[in-house]
Amino acid sequence: AQTVTQSQPEMSVQEAETVTLSCTYDTSESDYYLFWYKQPPSRQMILVIRQEAYKQQNATENRFSVNFQKAAKSFSLKISDSQLGDAAMYFCAYRSAIGAGNQFYFGTGTSLTVIP
Amino acid sequence: DSGVTQTPKHLITATGQRVTLRCSPRSGDLSVYWYQQSLDQGLQFLIQYYNGEERAKGNILERFSAQQFPDLHSELNLSSLELGDSALYFCASSVLPGGQPQHFGDGTRLSIL
Repeated sequence: AQTVTQSQPEMSVQEAETVTLSCTYDTSESDYYLFWYKQPPSRQMILVIRQEAYKQQNATENRFSVNFQKAAKSFSLKISDSQLGDAAMYFCAYRSAIGAGNQFYFGTGTSLTVIP
Repeated sequence: DSGVTQTPKHLITATGQRVTLRCSPRSGDLSVYWYQQSLDQGLQFLIQYYNGEERAKGNILERFSAQQFPDLHSELNLSSLELGDSALYFCASSVLPGGQPQHFGDGTRLSIL
């Protein structure tokens, strides 16, 4: 089974600074999707960014960007110009693009604190 | 607002009981996913339905069952509840059972006393 690992249980960043959250995954598949979800204290799960494995170009979404290294099976999230509203739990997720099983695999999350 | 509605928001019950959690997917979404988020287990995929049929099954206990109805809403039934079942249960939906982003509901907080 695929596994997703987030090795940083907690991270902190000064407001307006940049922070990078790490995610690695284990798979034997060549075609898949990767996601970053944000869970603020309101507990809602919010999609931050998505990356297709077949695309070499790193996805970006405003202040959020990823560094996708397929060979290294690494998918880190960079948050630029951090804002207080970015404080949340961040989950990395993997989903196969092949076959009928469309199960999502989530990491254990990284709790991000933004310091004013 | 994701458009996914989960009820109830909070549920408190005792061990051995049975509860039903309900999810209405976002308008137009045919696929529904259920997840369990425990404090020490992270987010675990339970089961997925697409247009009324079971599509994928994850770490779902035999005491748990789910179904998706013709109107596409879904219910997750938890029976013979144990203290360890206390968790946040999320429902998510997507248009198709593919890589499209999933839209999450606000979750149901289940507390077993």
